[in-house]
Parts: sequence; C-alpha cells; structure tokens
Amino acid sequence: DQQVKQNSPSLSVQEGRISILNCDYTNSMFDYFLWYKKYPAEGPTFLISISSIKDKNEDGRFTVFLNKSAKHLSLHIVPSQPGDSAVYFCAASERMGSGGSNYKLTFGKGTLLTVNP
Amino acid sequence: KAGVTQTPRYLIKTRGQQVTLSCSPISGHRSVSWYQQTPGQGLQFLFEYFSETQRNKGNFPGRFSGRQFSNSRSEMNVSTLELGDSALYLCASSLGEPGQFNQPQHFGDGTRLSIL
Repeated sequence: DQQVKQNSPSLSVQEGRISILNCDYTNSMFDYFLWYKKYPAEGPTFLISISSIKDKNEDGRFTVFLNKSAKHLSLHIVPSQPGDSAVYFCAASERMGSGGSNYKLTFGKGTLLTVNP
Repeated sequence: KAGVTQTPRYLIKTRGQQVTLSCSPISGHRSVSWYQQTPGQGLQFLFEYFSETQRNKGNFPGRFSGRQFSNSRSEMNVSTLELGDSALYLCASSLGEPGQFNQPQHFGDGTRLSIL
C-alpha cells in the first residue's frame, strides 16, 4: 500500500514558467512533509518542508502548499530554470508512539522535472 | 565544509555474502540516516542513528543492520545478500535530533551495490 503517491512520473515545463509538482497521501497521521531534489549520480538535496499545522511555506522560488482535507500537497517553482531539471521526491513523516523522536518517513517514487530553455 | 562521504561508491557482491557500507557525516552532525533507493520501490527509509543509538527503523528485515560510532560515523551491514538488495544506498546526516525536520538532511552521493 503506497501511502505517498506522486502520480506524475514526469513533467516538462518551459523556462520562466511555473512548475507544479503534486503529491497525494493516504495516511492522516502524517504530520510533516518534505520535498527533495535529486540530480543523477548525486544524493537528494532537501528543498523545503511544511508542518501539517500550516497550509503554505515559501522559500525563494519554492512554495509548498498543503491541503489536509484533500490529503494533497504541491510544490510550486516560480520561475522555473533549466537547472531545476531533476527528480523531485515528496516525503511524509508520521510520529510513532508518544516520544518526540520516533517517527517513520515515507517517500513517493518521484517526478522527473525537465525545464526546457 | 566537507559534505557527507560514503564509501565505497560502487560495490559488487554475490548472493549469500555480506557487505558493510560506511558513512561519514558532516562535522558536527550527530544524526545519521540510511535509505535504500531502487527503481521499483523508490526511496525507502532504513534506519536512523543518533548518539550511537538506533532511534528509528523502517520496514526492512533483520539482515539489514547498522551502528554508529562515537565520532558519529556510521556503518550499515547487510548479511546473506539477495539479488533484490541491489540498490543505491544513501546516507544522510542532520544537525538536528531525530524528528527535527526543520533541520534539513544532507545526503551523500550513495553506494551503488550490485548483487550477482
């Protein structure tokens, strides 16, 4: 059962336009969401995160929106640049037990973003 | 500032063997996490260590184990290797304590393990 889904394996966008990467989840116990970017032959790079108590978080060109009722989050990149071309992973965290440091992290399978010059 | 260093970069083993992968976190980072990435399953969380203790664990069999040393360096061991263990194994370190997601994780470039 895939609890975090990135239904679009790939996305192609023109340079300067907005890129919107989507992620759906099924587990209502997820309390933190993260986005990572990964270039070929490199490890993932953390981009931005959002707590479940918020609905928006912004960092430069990157904005993450969270819609808890729809169990949906999206990453907006504006404006898109060719250097943004990479695989983007959505991840979600669920607290396990009553302690603050026990959690389970679940990743989506990623979306390949291609930004065309 | 040096990043997360994983060794070796590539490794070829045969079924039934065991393997140890190494991860040196960024200086000052005490939290180290391990992940497995495969084309079919994507990125899956293996376990996390903090202050030499395993704090969190994903859904992997007991053949997958790890440890962390007093200098925060971590090793991951896989015993009785199976063909399905072929994957990219990624290590990440963080300045924060486990669960502090406002402290980003910094990933190494991974170890590509191939099982013949």
